Amino acid sequence: AQRVTQPEKLLSVFKGAPVELKCNYSYSGSPELFWYVQYSRQRLQLLLRHISRESIKGFTADLNKGETSFHLKKPFAQEEDSAMYYCALSGDSGSGTYKYIFGTGTRLKVLA
Amino acid sequence: ETGVTQSPTHLIKTRGQQVTLRCSSQSGHNTVSWYQQALGQGPQFIFQYYREEENGRGNFPPRFSGLQFPNYSSELNVNALELDDSALYLCASSTIPPAASYEQYFGPGTRLTVT
Repeated sequence: AQRVTQPEKLLSVFKGAPVELKCNYSYSGSPELFWYVQYSRQRLQLLLRHISRESIKGFTADLNKGETSFHLKKPFAQEEDSAMYYCALSGDSGSGTYKYIFGTGTRLKVLA
Repeated sequence: ETGVTQSPTHLIKTRGQQVTLRCSSQSGHNTVSWYQQALGQGPQFIFQYYREEENGRGNFPPRFSGLQFPNYSSELNVNALELDDSALYLCASSTIPPAASYEQYFGPGTRLTVT
């Protein structure tokens, strides 16, 4: 089955603590992996994507193909990181078309 | 440069009716995707349009259909509405020909309630 799993619905951490949002995926082929974020009263927006190998707002994500994981990490959480985070993948579904699969999301709460 | 816009913001329909949701892509974007997001769930991919043709589809029945116009605006049509169709419908646009790694820009969504 093709899916993205985010096992935690809610993750609460204290300000300054490390953060790890888990994401595991199941997909035949070589998908591209993304993290999207939705801050309160804002629209869904891209946080980072694997192909860019970038660090955005201090967040990084490493693709582990052996474990089919793409966990999101940040060494020191800040209150403004509180948001809903979605892991997503896109993959070739044949004939040059693509499909996109999102996880159910993890709400991150950073406590003062 | 304007962002992705969607209309209407909210909509209430009765089971069995038909509904049309609209999306205007971000300036310069030629690809649009539609998603359904039920309460407490992540977005579920309905389909994607590129150059006015369907270019990928998720696991949604044929009563979910779409159109993309030459100005890259788009419509999502749902026939024979069911109670389970109640959800937030998101439109997302992107630039360049469809490729797996591109960023999608999301609209604010249309909240559909089916009674």
